[in-house]
Amino acid sequence: GAVVSQHPSWVICKSGTSVKIECRSLDFQATTMFWYRQFPKQSLMLMATSNEGSKATYEQGVEKDKFLINHASLTLSTLTVTSAHPEDSSFYICSASRGVSNQPQHFGDGTRLSIL
Amino acid sequence: QQQVKQSPQSLIVQKGGISIINCAYENTAFDYFPWYQQFPGKGPALLIAIRPDVSEKKEGRFTISFNKSAKQFSLHIMDSQPGDSATYFCAAGMKTSYDKVIFGPGTSLSVIP
Repeated sequence: GAVVSQHPSWVICKSGTSVKIECRSLDFQATTMFWYRQFPKQSLMLMATSNEGSKATYEQGVEKDKFLINHASLTLSTLTVTSAHPEDSSFYICSASRGVSNQPQHFGDGTRLSIL
Repeated sequence: QQQVKQSPQSLIVQKGGISIINCAYENTAFDYFPWYQQFPGKGPALLIAIRPDVSEKKEGRFTISFNKSAKQFSLHIMDSQPGDSATYFCAAGMKTSYDKVIFGPGTSLSVIP
């Protein structure tokens, strides 16, 4: 099956620093990648959709200046949490899609972000 | 109108029993209904999906039942096993973009020996 790799799997950093999370599709070209945020015992909340070579589309309420998304190639998208604060601590999950109408998205294993 | 409702929030089933999770939606434009399984500390994985042109789809021990008129669909896990213990999310999407779906709130399933 399709493999999506996310790195790092766990990161702890100090408040005020920026953190970059990578999402790679290892065996297919992902024209579309999605970034989700998940709090404990809650559902996945879509943060933004990124298409290769285009600016990301952010969901309502998501600060685009705080959560920078870059989708520079068909196999890599990055999410940078800028000036992170403790309330940004969460589980961040990416997914990748071929962009074909009847093909589902494939998820990475998530990144646990803890801001001290 | 974009919301997907899911129940129960949590479920405990004995090994060998049937686990049933129900979902409902409002937007009739939805025509793709996947179920995802998520283990702690992992991303969700697609389990099984159905389109509204069929009322039931079975894959191994997992069956989706779909009621278009009621705008409801459910997941049945037959012969539930401890390894099935996970969080299950139903979701709904549109034909124009199956890859973008709306997730339900999730059901935490525990299968006890």
